[in-house]
Amino acid sequence: GNSVTQMEGPVTLSEEAFLTINCTYTATGYPSLFWYVQYPGEGLQLLLKATKADDKGSNKGFEATYRKETTSFHLEKGSVQVSDSAVYFCALNQAGTALIFGKGTTLSVSS
Amino acid sequence: EPEVTQTPSHQVTQMGQEVILRCVPISNHLYFYWYRQILGQKVEFLVSFYNNEISEKSEIFDDQFSVERPDGSNFTLKIRSTKLEDSAMYFCASGNRENQPQHFGDGTRLSIL
Repeated sequence: GNSVTQMEGPVTLSEEAFLTINCTYTATGYPSLFWYVQYPGEGLQLLLKATKADDKGSNKGFEATYRKETTSFHLEKGSVQVSDSAVYFCALNQAGTALIFGKGTTLSVSS
Repeated sequence: EPEVTQTPSHQVTQMGQEVILRCVPISNHLYFYWYRQILGQKVEFLVSFYNNEISEKSEIFDDQFSVERPDGSNFTLKIRSTKLEDSAMYFCASGNRENQPQHFGDGTRLSIL
């Protein structure tokens, strides 16, 4: 079945550091890929998405590229801020079916 | 920007009692979902709903769970006889087309005593 694997956290960085959170997936066919973010005490917010191979999703300085050859969708940001501290979830779905989430990676950024 | 809203934000219930979690999806959305997140664990799919019927459900969604769209705006999740292990954050989500992102509410924290 379909699954998502993301790197274990927590990830602890200083402000302005470079961020990478790895995500790989297993799926039949061509899933859509997403990154969701959960700030403390809040719900899940869509951060970015990509619906086909080689698409790059981007939002708020975050980027992720849909790599079919490596079945990956790694999240990157060139310079993190304290306000980026949150839990980040990689997810996939196919044709409107249920989202399948990774376990989440906690990011903590200090000033 | 339109939002998915969920009520209550926190529900405390005695084991064995029935609980109803409420959601108001984004108004032009047609696909509705419930997920749950046990503390410290991953977000898990429960059920999806389209065209007034369940379109998909997970193993978690057993006979004690039910969903309903009673009036064209609300989307509810009922747990008939709650168990301690039902304690979790429950998220409602909605989407307007099959391949579009799902938008989530802020969740209802359900605590079973």
